[in-house]
Amino acid sequence: QQQVKQSPQSLIVQKGGISIINCAYENTAFDYFPWYQQFPGKGPALLIAIRPDVSEKKEGRFTISFNKSAKQFSLHIMDSQPGDSATYFCAAGYIRNAGNNRKLIWGLGTSLAVNP
Amino acid sequence: DVKVTQSSRYLVKRTGEKVFLECVQDMDHENMFWYRQDPGLGLRLIYFSYDVKMKEKGDIPEGYSVSREKKERFSLILESASTNQTSMYLCASSPGNAGAYEQYFGPGTRLTVT
Repeated sequence: QQQVKQSPQSLIVQKGGISIINCAYENTAFDYFPWYQQFPGKGPALLIAIRPDVSEKKEGRFTISFNKSAKQFSLHIMDSQPGDSATYFCAAGYIRNAGNNRKLIWGLGTSLAVNP
Repeated sequence: DVKVTQSSRYLVKRTGEKVFLECVQDMDHENMFWYRQDPGLGLRLIYFSYDVKMKEKGDIPEGYSVSREKKERFSLILESASTNQTSMYLCASSPGNAGAYEQYFGPGTRLTVT
């Protein structure tokens, strides 16, 4: 299966709270799991990414937790701020058969609003 | 910084018109992509290219074609625009091999077909 299922579709969090967005996948060939952040009027931008040989990666207030056995990964935003309000996309990458090319399969996105 | 530019931020076209969306990247990336973004449907891949003059269909290629004559430029063509092609179009690029997963996006072109 080449799908990546993302939840929730939308999320409202109070300033200072923890935002959690979850993604699940089926294909065990995926070898790269990035999260992209998109602000209104802008294109998505890579926020943080993890490889399946690691269970957690932290960059500032953003943490990816990865559960290989459950085929799930999640983004945690600690001390959420109004400036974090954006759409977040998870994705999963795999190497295509021909030419060692790499492709991303995208989740549908989560709209996060952080109230002041 | 990697920069991906798209020719227009907003575009209004009439049904049946031929529409060209241009994308240019300045980081010598091998890979380029065209997506459309619609509410609730996420990012859907239209076409991608791993090399000059090379193109491959993505998930929703119907009604679209592409051209990549130079490494830095990737064009999306709507041969005969229809109202169901009203959408936000995003171009992206990425380096080859191990870096290929890291896609850099342009700001998008919001196309309205009336």
